[in-house]
Amino acid sequence: EPEVTQTPSHQVTQMGQEVILRCVPISNHLYFYWYRQILGQKVEFLVSFYNNEISEKSEIFDDQFSVERPDGSNFTLKIRSTKLEDSAMYFCASSASPAQETQYFGPGTRLLVL
Amino acid sequence: DAKTTQPNSMESNEEEPVHLPCNHSTISGTDYIHWYRQLPSQGPEYVIHGLTSNVNNRMASLAIAEDRKSSTLILHRATLRDAAVYYCIQTTSGTYKYIFGTGTRLKVLA
Repeated sequence: EPEVTQTPSHQVTQMGQEVILRCVPISNHLYFYWYRQILGQKVEFLVSFYNNEISEKSEIFDDQFSVERPDGSNFTLKIRSTKLEDSAMYFCASSASPAQETQYFGPGTRLLVL
Repeated sequence: DAKTTQPNSMESNEEEPVHLPCNHSTISGTDYIHWYRQLPSQGPEYVIHGLTSNVNNRMASLAIAEDRKSSTLILHRATLRDAAVYYCIQTTSGTYKYIFGTGTRLKVLA
């Protein structure tokens, strides 16, 4: 069964450093998403991406965040200058079409900012 | 804020059916109901979704009330591996995001 994959599974970084989280969505999907979950809290939407553009983003997704689909298979989330409060699980998801369609989530990247 | 409300926690005995309720009183005609579950330290896993009619798949059944203001996820025989947080999400036409609530933490007793 096709699945979303994410790398790395864990990332530790120093405050102020840049990190890039990588995702390989399901191959025939066209819509891509990033969510995050701070430990013990709800899963929060960050951004959706379609046709090489951001479709929707939340207040969390400020200028420190960017997304890119650098090739036909990868989808990345970059945090330019990490803060302590960026420590969280980051989940990538993909779907064949927008919100009414099922989103399939990856296993997540656990980011720890020291 | 999430558009759905669910009980914070439920318990079930192993091998018994579990009925997980969800209220979505603001649902409109084109909104779907999706159910996901999340095991510890894992990503949300799709369980089932529906619009108006009851739905069955290999994991669960979804019973949607006639007025669509509530639904129930049914696990026919709970196993220890079904212990997870279950999220009911109302997905709205024209938006791209899922809004997660706090979900229902299901505990399965051996």
